Amino acid sequence: DGGITQSPKYLFRKEGQNVTLSCEQNLNHDAMYWYRQDPGQGLRLIYYSQIVNDFQKGDIAEGYSVSREKKESFPLTVTSAQKNPTAFYLCASSRAGGGNEQFFGPGTRLTVL
Amino acid sequence: AQSVTQLGSHVSVSEGALVLLRCNYSSSVPPYLFWYVQYPNQGLQLLLKYTTGATLVKGINGFEAEFKKSETSFHLTKPSAHMSDAAEYFCAVTRGGQAGTALIFGKGTTLSVSS
Repeated sequence: DGGITQSPKYLFRKEGQNVTLSCEQNLNHDAMYWYRQDPGQGLRLIYYSQIVNDFQKGDIAEGYSVSREKKESFPLTVTSAQKNPTAFYLCASSRAGGGNEQFFGPGTRLTVL
Repeated sequence: AQSVTQLGSHVSVSEGALVLLRCNYSSSVPPYLFWYVQYPNQGLQLLLKYTTGATLVKGINGFEAEFKKSETSFHLTKPSAHMSDAAEYFCAVTRGGQAGTALIFGKGTTLSVSS
């Protein structure tokens, strides 16, 4: 089945540690996205990539980094510079073009201890 | 700049009643509009979208939405609520420009359905 996988589903991190969230898609989509979800805040865009080896900052990129070395993969690293990283992280992908829907993964819940 | 406002963070209805979730948008370019649904601790699923053409859009699970340019609205409706409709609903608009397909989301509306 085609879709988006995110791993792990739950992640615990100590303060001061970097952590990488995985996102893989087999939909052959060019574009991929990372969103952060906090209660009552909706989804906020962290980074997006419209093509391999290229990505742009979203609205809340500080303290995060990404790479896009392969079309299928768009990992997100939450660095120790992110002041409040506890949140639900959602990865999505879509075909190029503004009218195309985004397909979402099941999410990773990150908790900083 | 594009923005989305969802009126009412929480809506409660009885089973069988009309569901109306409100969404207003602001966009400097012709908008592409979406409604997504999220069940607890899951990703988002597309309900319906408006790109061009017919302004009344039908989606999955009996939902529909009407694009009204003059009112800058894209409200979501369902004639008869079911218990399984209880979830969080998000309205979104495409950012456009260099951001291409990236979306701006509203803050969401939680729908509760009572028997």
